[in-house]
Amino acid sequence: DAKTTQPTSMDCAEGRAANLPCNHSTISGNEYVYWYRQIHSQGPQYIIHGLKNNETNEMASLIITEDRKSSTLILPHATLRDTAVYYCIVSGNSGGYQKVTFGTGTKLQVIP
Amino acid sequence: SQTIHQWPATLVQPVGSPLSLECTVEGTSNPNLYWYRQAAGRGLQLLFYSVGIGQISSEVPQNLSASRPQDRQFILSSKKLLLSDSGFYLCAWSVGGSSDFGPGTRLTVT
Repeated sequence: DAKTTQPTSMDCAEGRAANLPCNHSTISGNEYVYWYRQIHSQGPQYIIHGLKNNETNEMASLIITEDRKSSTLILPHATLRDTAVYYCIVSGNSGGYQKVTFGTGTKLQVIP
Repeated sequence: SQTIHQWPATLVQPVGSPLSLECTVEGTSNPNLYWYRQAAGRGLQLLFYSVGIGQISSEVPQNLSASRPQDRQFILSSKKLLLSDSGFYLCAWSVGGSSDFGPGTRLTVT
């Protein structure tokens, strides 16, 4: 019962910005939006997370809409090493605990 | 800072054999702990989560069980492995607004 929906796959030219969308229309007020990526045969790698304000770190930017029902992960200058499956997750307290549930993710292919 | 360990990194086991995968977390107290499985070519599936010692919730019926004997230790077990248990097993922790995954264990059941 995934709480997020993402496109199955996307292509991006090397050096261009990769914009990965995510819908989370049932997000509740205390849930965060997290982004992870998984490169083949490795554990998921944390990228960024946010509650309602836009966030930026050394890896990416996270844009969250004002109603918080969707967000976009931006990789400003995609490289071949950014080819991975990107997971958008909402996580928050439910019955006193925090539960992290993954959707199917977006397979990003960076093209030379 | 928090770190999470899993072992072994890879494992090949025959059908019908037992399984024990261990996960430990350092640098935090009273974390929520999770076991996920990723079958080949598929997304991550939540198997178990735990909010405290001895408290285990199962998300899907399966051939596996989990235990949390200590605050920062989470164990995934099976008495008799099936071929369908093959996959990539990931442990994760979460505390407040932070979470992270372990390096994973690749299990092949032959």
